[in-house]
Amino acid sequence: QQQVKQSPQSLIVQKGGISIINCAYENTAFDYFPWYQQFPGKGPALLIAIRPDVSEKKEGRFTISFNKSAKQFSLHIMDSQPGDSATYFCAAKEQGAQKLVFGQGTRLTINP
Amino acid sequence: EAGVTQFPSHSVIEKGQTVTLRCDPISGHDNLYWYRRVMGKEIKFLLHFVKESKQDESGMPNNRFLAERTGGTYSTLKVQPAELEDSGVYFCASSLAGATDTQYFGPGTRLTVL
Repeated sequence: QQQVKQSPQSLIVQKGGISIINCAYENTAFDYFPWYQQFPGKGPALLIAIRPDVSEKKEGRFTISFNKSAKQFSLHIMDSQPGDSATYFCAAKEQGAQKLVFGQGTRLTINP
Repeated sequence: EAGVTQFPSHSVIEKGQTVTLRCDPISGHDNLYWYRRVMGKEIKFLLHFVKESKQDESGMPNNRFLAERTGGTYSTLKVQPAELEDSGVYFCASSLAGATDTQYFGPGTRLTVL
């Protein structure tokens, strides 16, 4: 069964708009939640990450919102730009574990 | 500093053949991971090395897959014999010792089994 569920699978946003991608998890042992960004022909690159002791983390135009009680977290991209067009993966990791557990990915397209 | 490199970038083989994928981690990274993404689904963990030792191979699909990391530097992932369902993108990642949260991914090898 899929441990991290990501939605939507694809998303089209106009330039300047807000892109929102959501993820949900069941495993309460997860304590690290990164988001990866992947451009065509490249590997996933760490974009931003959060731990459950905070409800929000912001880095530039990218913000993670985290709801521990609902076991959900989301990525918000403010003022979305065509250069943000990529596939985004949410992931989670248990404390002390090595492997990342990924969501299915969201293909984001920002229209100029 | 060079990132994680993988070779080849693409491989097309026929069912029953053997393929070997190579990963060169970032220099000095003791942790090396293999992941796979099949048909637009989630990226799934295959296994984890610390230096030359396999720490976790719980994600390896079956005994047709063999991973090695001789000398604790580069790693190879051999699929023998390949089946149709092995098609996908194989990613390698590496991280510093004691810093497994931040994993750096290579560009992947796209494997197509016909």
